[in-house]
Amino acid sequence: EIVLTQSPGALSLSLGERATLSCRASQSVSSSYVAWYQQKPGQAPRLLIYGASSRATGIPDRFSGSGSGTDFTLTISRLEPEDFAVYYCQHFGDSTRITFGQGTRLEI
Amino acid sequence: EVQLVESGGGLVKPGESLTLSCAASGFFFSSYTMNWVRQAPGKGLEWVSSIRSSSSDIYYADSVKGRFTISRDNAKNSLFLQMNSLRVEDTAVYYCARDWRWGSVDSWGQGALVTVSS
Repeated sequence: EIVLTQSPGALSLSLGERATLSCRASQSVSSSYVAWYQQKPGQAPRLLIYGASSRATGIPDRFSGSGSGTDFTLTISRLEPEDFAVYYCQHFGDSTRITFGQGTRLEI
Repeated sequence: EVQLVESGGGLVKPGESLTLSCAASGFFFSSYTMNWVRQAPGKGLEWVSSIRSSSSDIYYADSVKGRFTISRDNAKNSLFLQMNSLRVEDTAVYYCARDWRWGSVDSWGQGALVTVSS
């Protein structure tokens, strides 16, 4: 069973700063099956990145994903007010299907 | 526009049953794998179950296996989750969600709250 560990648990930054969120898998995974989501209070999650680095429809280019093997990163280049939220990484596997990390809270 | 609308949530006692429904519109429902994902109050996301487009393959998280049953009616663009033997720890918002590329999930409903309490 693959476990995804996100770090940090919470990140406090200011508008215009760069945010770097980490997701580590307990074993090597295909980057094709890594995704990132944003969730704001009272809302459903929103897909940001799939295939580790492909932006979903309508996602601003300040969001980018990278990584391979066991280490994956979501980067937000210049924080906007609407970016403060909880972010989850996710992996898809044949046997485990969908696995989520525990989330990183990005706050001002 | 893709729309997923859950219904059927509510308050039940431990051991009771409940069935959630998800009405899909705005896309060719019968072509997509569909999922249920839940989120306990103040907690993270937990995948519950998936069903392939033709219902040929069905998957469950270990935490619900043997108690929950996922199904779909492609003629009615509907997804279901029958939940039996509910436990306090099943309390959560349940989201209906559409598979996208490479195992990601690109569309989510607004969620249905299930509360299991005596």
